[in-house]
Amino acid sequence: GQQLNQSPQSMFIQEGEDVSMNCTSSSIFNTWLWYKQDPGEGPVLLIALYKAGELTSNGRLTAQFGITRKDSFLNISASIPSDVGIYFCAGSGRPGGAQKLVFGQGTRLTINP
Amino acid sequence: NAGVTQTPKFRVLKTGQSMTLLCAQDMNHEYMYWYRQDPGMGLRLIHYSVGEGTTAKGEVPDGYNVSRLKKQNFLLGLESAAPSQTSVYFCASSYGTGATDTQYFGPGTRLTVL
Repeated sequence: GQQLNQSPQSMFIQEGEDVSMNCTSSSIFNTWLWYKQDPGEGPVLLIALYKAGELTSNGRLTAQFGITRKDSFLNISASIPSDVGIYFCAGSGRPGGAQKLVFGQGTRLTINP
Repeated sequence: NAGVTQTPKFRVLKTGQSMTLLCAQDMNHEYMYWYRQDPGMGLRLIHYSVGEGTTAKGEVPDGYNVSRLKKQNFLLGLESAAPSQTSVYFCASSYGTGATDTQYFGPGTRLTVL
C-alpha cells in the first residue's frame, strides 16, 4: 500500500530551539495533515493543507504542502516543554468522501529544559 | 460533549479468544474509522463506515470485523485473537463533508494478545 516516509524519527532539542520535520511520498496526495499525539491519547489535528504550495500557520507551527504534492514539512518555532510528543504526518489521496488517511511513522520530539 | 470514547482502555487476551471494542461518538458524525498503531509504523486503517448500516475495508482488514448498527457506535470485533493483533487501537469520526473533513480520534484501546 501507500507509504509515507517521515523524518527524523526522533529529535532531542533544547527548549527555545526551532524544530523541522518532513514527510515524503512516492504517491500524490490531495490533502496533507499534521497531528500531534501525547502519551496515552489519540492524535490531535494541528494543521491541514489542501492545496499544492499552501503555507499555513497555527501559532508557532507552520506547515507547507509541497508543489509536487508528494511532500510536506512542519516547523515549530521557539519550542516549549508542552511541544513534547509524537508528531505524525498523514496524507489523503481522495478529494472527497471518506478520508482514508495514510500515516507516516512519526517523529518523537523530546525537549531538554 | 464527550467527543469520541473507546471501551475498554486496556485488555489482555489469550490466543484464540474473541472480543469486541466499542467506539462511541456524540458529535452526530456520519463517518467512523478504526485504526491500529504499532511501534514505528504510524496508524493504519482497518475498517471504516460512511453511515449507519455501512462498512468498508481499509488497509489492514484481515482478522477483524466491524458493525455500525447505530450512527453513534462503531464496533470492532476480533473473532479469534492472534499475537499479531497486539496493538493500540484508535477509533476516529468525522462529519463526512468532503475534502476538508477533519477526523477526531478517541483515546485508544491497548490490546495485548498472549
